[in-house]
Amino acid sequence: GAVVSQHPSWVICKSGTSVKIECRSLDFQATTMFWYRQFPKQSLMLMATSNEGSKATYEQGVEKDKFLINHASLTLSTLTVTSAHPEDSSFYICSARLQGVNQPQHFGDGTRLSIL
Amino acid sequence: SQQGEEDPQALSIQEGENATMNCSYKTSINNLQWYRQNSGRGLVHLILIRSNEREKHSGRLRVTLDTSKKSSSLLITASRAADTASYFCATLYWAFGSGTRLSIRP
Repeated sequence: GAVVSQHPSWVICKSGTSVKIECRSLDFQATTMFWYRQFPKQSLMLMATSNEGSKATYEQGVEKDKFLINHASLTLSTLTVTSAHPEDSSFYICSARLQGVNQPQHFGDGTRLSIL
Repeated sequence: SQQGEEDPQALSIQEGENATMNCSYKTSINNLQWYRQNSGRGLVHLILIRSNEREKHSGRLRVTLDTSKKSSSLLITASRAADTASYFCATLYWAFGSGTRLSIRP
């Protein structure tokens, strides 16, 4: 089946640091990937849709200068949390979907980001 | 809102019993998907049911869809401890409900 790999799985860093999270589709090409944020015991909140070769589409309220998304190839999208602060601490999850309206999403295992 | 909403929010049952979770949504759909999330992990796709389907099975999972009521149910039969997780329905790629937290007691 389709596999999505997300790295790293856990990051702890100081306030002000920029953190890059990678999302890779291992056995399929993904023209579109999605980035979510999840708070404890809550649902996933879509942050942005990452499109290969073009600018990401951000959801309302998500700062594009804060959360930089790059989708440079059909198998890799990156999310960079710039100048991270404690309020950015969260669980970030990416997903990718094969083309077609009736295709499910395939998720990475998530990245737990803790900003001290 | 276009997102699905699961019911109940939490469910605790004895191992071996069946678990039923429900999902309601508000708009027309092409399909509805169910996912499982183990604590601290990503979501795993369980089953997708298309709008023209009424029931679908996959192993111990049974999903029903009633488009007239805009609702779906997920039944897990003969539950196991490993089924302990949160379960989400989704009607669109951004439209996840808040989930049902299922706990299986040994």
